[in-house]
Amino acid sequence: DAKTTQPPSMDCAEGRAANLPCNHSTISGNEYVYWYRQIHSQGPQYIIHGLKNNETNEMASLIITEDRKSSTLILPHATLRDTAVYYCIVRVANDYKLSFGAGTTVTVRA
Amino acid sequence: GAGVSQTPSNKVTEKGKYVELRCDPISGHTALYWYRQSLGQGPEFLIYFQGTGAADDSGLPNDRFFAVRPEGSVSTLKIQRTERGDSAVYLCASSRQQNTEAFFGQGTRLTVV
Repeated sequence: DAKTTQPPSMDCAEGRAANLPCNHSTISGNEYVYWYRQIHSQGPQYIIHGLKNNETNEMASLIITEDRKSSTLILPHATLRDTAVYYCIVRVANDYKLSFGAGTTVTVRA
Repeated sequence: GAGVSQTPSNKVTEKGKYVELRCDPISGHTALYWYRQSLGQGPEFLIYFQGTGAADDSGLPNDRFFAVRPEGSVSTLKIQRTERGDSAVYLCASSRQQNTEAFFGQGTRLTVV
């Protein structure tokens, strides 16, 4: 009963923008889109979240489509240290659980 | 330390033994979570503490698993009569409140042989 769909893997070139897609066609009006990433042998790390407006922070940008059925996480200038599994999660604002799927394994190549 | 600390980082135990995994959350964080991650999969929720009480333990797989947080800070995940299928990385996370950003520790890799 996964709420999100992500490609299993993708490669990107160091220094270029990495665009990570996520489909969440059954998202509810009160559910946020969260992104976490997990670098090998580490715990997951929060990246960004949003409801319907695009969001940007020091790590990434989040673009959510107008119908909110999909979103894209953008790493503006990928580095080798961005190689990780990226998880897209939908969650109600006051919920405490994070429901991780399989994520997208992103490999940044020099 | 500034982050969530989990000990030990690795634990190898024999089938049938009892193990305890410890989590030191970020100071001041009232919410604490345990997750389990099997190889090649995303983390799965086990239990959520708000303060000292387990607000939701619906993710614990069976009654061999138990967790405590007696003083509202450090938490211990306890597994009785371990089985080979319990082998996984056990992750702890904490957050200031239940719906704010969760910070994860590096996990304890449990191997049951």
